Amino acid sequence: EAGVAQSPRYKIIEKRQSVAFWCNPISGHATLYWYQQILGQGPKLLIQFQNNGVVDDSQLPKDRFSAERLKGVDSTLKIQPAKLEDSAVYLCASMGTNYNEQFFGPGTRLTVL
Amino acid sequence: DQQVKQNSPSLSVQEGRISILNCDYTNSMFDYFLWYKKYPAEGPTFLISISSIKDKNEDGRFTVFLNKSAKHLSLHIVPSQPGDSAVYFCAASAAGAGSYQLTFGKGTKLSVIP
Repeated sequence: EAGVAQSPRYKIIEKRQSVAFWCNPISGHATLYWYQQILGQGPKLLIQFQNNGVVDDSQLPKDRFSAERLKGVDSTLKIQPAKLEDSAVYLCASMGTNYNEQFFGPGTRLTVL
Repeated sequence: DQQVKQNSPSLSVQEGRISILNCDYTNSMFDYFLWYKKYPAEGPTFLISISSIKDKNEDGRFTVFLNKSAKHLSLHIVPSQPGDSAVYFCAASAAGAGSYQLTFGKGTKLSVIP
C-alpha cells in the first residue's frame, strides 16, 4: 500500500511570496489533514477535510492560508503572502476506516527568508 | 494552552535498558491516546495506541500505560535499541465525541547509546 505523498519536499522563498504544497493521501482514505510543525513543537492541525468538504478550518489563518480538496482525493495548501513565521514543516495526513490512526506523509520543509 | 504535555525534551538511555517516556494531558474529553515516532526528514509514524477503557496496551517491546485519574500516560520500550533513537510524540483525541483530530505534545527526543 503506497503511503501519503507530498511535494515538494523542500521549498525556500522570500517573505511576501506565495507557495503551494501538494498532498496525495492513501488510496481510499476519506479524511485528510494538514498540519504545521514549527521547530521544537508538535504538529498543529490547520485544516481537516472529509472527502471534498471542510470539517474544521478553525485554526487556519485564512487571511493568508487556503486549502482545497476539489475531487476528494489530492489536496493543495497555499500560503499567500508568506511571512517569516510560516517557516515550518507542513505535514499531510490521511485516515481511513480505522478511525484514530492517521498516516503521515514525509512533509514539506518551508523556509521563508 | 497546552492540552498535551511532554515535559522532557530529551532522554538518553543505554542500549538494552528500559526507556520510559511520559505524557500528561489536561482535557478530560480525551479518550484515545497514541504515540508516534519520528525520524529526521520523515513524517511521524504510528507506534502504539490505547483507549481510555484500558490501562495498558502492549505490542512487542512497546507498552503504553494509562492512568486516567492522574491524566498521565507513559511509553515503555524494553529493551531499548539504537534504532529506537528518534523523537516520540504523544497525541490525544476525543474519539468518543466524534472528533478524530489529534492534539500533539512537543515531543521527546530519545537517544539510545550503544
